[in-house]
Amino acid sequence: AQSVTQLGSHVSVSEGALVLLRCNYSSSVPPYLFWYVQYPNQGLQLLLKYTSAATLVKGINGFEAEFKKSETSFHLTKPSAHMSDAAEYFCAVTNTGNQFYFGTGTSLTVIP
Amino acid sequence: DAMVIQNPRYQVTQFGKPVTLSCSQTLNHNVMYWYQQKSSQAPKLLFHYYDKDFNNEADTPDNFQSRRPNTSFCFLDIRSPGLGDAAMYLCATSRVGREDSYEQYFGPGTRLTVT
Repeated sequence: AQSVTQLGSHVSVSEGALVLLRCNYSSSVPPYLFWYVQYPNQGLQLLLKYTSAATLVKGINGFEAEFKKSETSFHLTKPSAHMSDAAEYFCAVTNTGNQFYFGTGTSLTVIP
Repeated sequence: DAMVIQNPRYQVTQFGKPVTLSCSQTLNHNVMYWYQQKSSQAPKLLFHYYDKDFNNEADTPDNFQSRRPNTSFCFLDIRSPGLGDAAMYLCATSRVGREDSYEQYFGPGTRLTVT
């Protein structure tokens, strides 16, 4: 069975501050992990993905995430928050490419 | 450029009046998904097609049906919409069989309002 837990349904950061969004997964086999961003009234856009290559994954818009097997984590970070980063962020896992499991999402607010 | 297209973007229907949402893709992906997303919640998978094989989630109400007439198109039919079916409906695709392509591509969604 697979599942994803996102700690913190709401995160607020100041503009220019570090962004850290947490994701922990449960999977019986090596997983493929994803972070998606969703802006209001839009679909989900892929930020980055881990597919068993490099454990530090760089994505779009300056985001990156590190796969830590020992901690079963895949936290999303960005060194300096921008106002345009305010959105909903979802972590997802699959090991088949057929069934995807989403976390409950984290709403990021950026304070000017 | 558009890869996963959903029409319409906004749909208003009356309580109990059947409605169909449309999704098309230009990616030639073999899997197509329908998700329901309510406000401030994660997308909830309703069903997916793996090629022509239909896979229904156990908790998807019978009121929701789907058709995939060909690789490119997939439809979501809501036979008798209730007020609780008001939500964003997201279509997504993926390509199973190539591990480097294990990601989902989402359409922009259709916002369904039930009056």
